[in-house]
Amino acid sequence: SQLAEENSWALSVHEGESVTVNCSYKTSITALQWYRQKSGKGPAQLILIRSNEREKRNGRLRATLDTSSQSSSLSITATRCEDTAVYFCATQPHNNNAPRFGAGTKLSVKP
Amino acid sequence: DPKIIQKPKYLVAVTGSEKILICEQYLGHNAMYWYRQSAKKPLEFMFSYSYQKLMDNQTASSRFQPQSSKKNHLDLQITALKPDDSATYFCASSQTGGFSNERLFFGHGTKLSVL
Repeated sequence: SQLAEENSWALSVHEGESVTVNCSYKTSITALQWYRQKSGKGPAQLILIRSNEREKRNGRLRATLDTSSQSSSLSITATRCEDTAVYFCATQPHNNNAPRFGAGTKLSVKP
Repeated sequence: DPKIIQKPKYLVAVTGSEKILICEQYLGHNAMYWYRQSAKKPLEFMFSYSYQKLMDNQTASSRFQPQSSKKNHLDLQITALKPDDSATYFCASSQTGGFSNERLFFGHGTKLSVL
């Protein structure tokens, strides 16, 4: 079953613009992770944000977590063509369960 | 150098046959996972192992059997292959195996096509 899902199937921006990918989840969590998957590769983790954190940054990336609305966002500033990828959120509802991924948002960054 | 090696990268099989997907990790991790990704379904969790023991399983079909011969190996045997099994199968690993808020490291995947 899908415990997390991104709210947009696809987004398109031009280089230099900012973009936000949103995710909603269905159960209480201890943490939420954001991953990025480039074409032909496996997913790679970008940010892990714990349930007691509201915001986490990693360079041009900023993740937020709102446990009351069971939602998270990943913002990318000053986008580059190499940010083109599918972005997933993943949650772990219980400590002994492996992360479950959403369907992903396909982000295209155009020159 | 890739730290998680999946073999083969591409695999073509006929319906009804059996195949084994290989995964080895050289990160010193204690937990390993299999996920499946197809056009029809998002990245779908299949199995997780910690210290060579099954921890979590969300694969209904017994045609899928993970095999852990060593701590850093988790192969996936698939029997009686069906066209619906066509997908890219990703192996992943994480540090402690407790799954609590751990970062997963993924291999590049094995793309399986069943004709």
